[in-house]
Amino acid sequence: GDSVTQMEGPVTLSEEAFLTINCTYTATGYPSLFWYVQYPGEGLQLLLKATKADDKGSNKGFEATYRKETTSFHLEKGSVQVSDSAVYFCALRGKGSARQLTFGSGTQLTVLP
Amino acid sequence: NAGVTQTPKFQVLKTGQSMTLQCAQDMNHNSMYWYRQDPGMGLRLIYYSASEGTTDKGEVPNGYNVSRLNKREFSLRLESAAPSQTSVYFCASSEARGSQDEQFFGPGTRLTVL
Repeated sequence: GDSVTQMEGPVTLSEEAFLTINCTYTATGYPSLFWYVQYPGEGLQLLLKATKADDKGSNKGFEATYRKETTSFHLEKGSVQVSDSAVYFCALRGKGSARQLTFGSGTQLTVLP
Repeated sequence: NAGVTQTPKFQVLKTGQSMTLQCAQDMNHNSMYWYRQDPGMGLRLIYYSASEGTTDKGEVPNGYNVSRLNKREFSLRLESAAPSQTSVYFCASSEARGSQDEQFFGPGTRLTVL
């Protein structure tokens, strides 16, 4: 079945550092790929997505590129801020009729001032 | 728009007690979902409803039942709670049609079973 393997955390960075959170997937066909973010005490929010190979999703300075050859969707940001502290989840949407999401285990990011 | 709302926000149960978690969305979405979130395991799908009148099991359905009451509401019931059901529960909804597949999540219900 579908699965998502995500870089284990927690990750602690200083403000303005470069961020990479690795994500690889296993799925049949060509799934859609997502990054969700969860701020403390809140539900998940969609951060960015890509629906086909070589697509680049971007939002709020975060980027991720759908790499079919390496089955990866790594999240990057050039300069993190304290307000980026949150849990980040990589997810894929398979081809089932309900289009349910399969999530990675999440990566806790803490950005220190 | 309120988006996806869930009640209650917190709940403590004793083993064997029952309860229903409520979820409602005001975005006229067809599909609704119930997930549980456990440390180090991401979110796992419990049940989903692809459209009004239909429900299907997800990855971890044992010990739960659901009702899609109407297009807006999707409830999750624990008939006899167990400590293994201590978790944070999230409801989500989506249009699930064409490229409109973003899932919108509620704020969650933190459940503790003693």
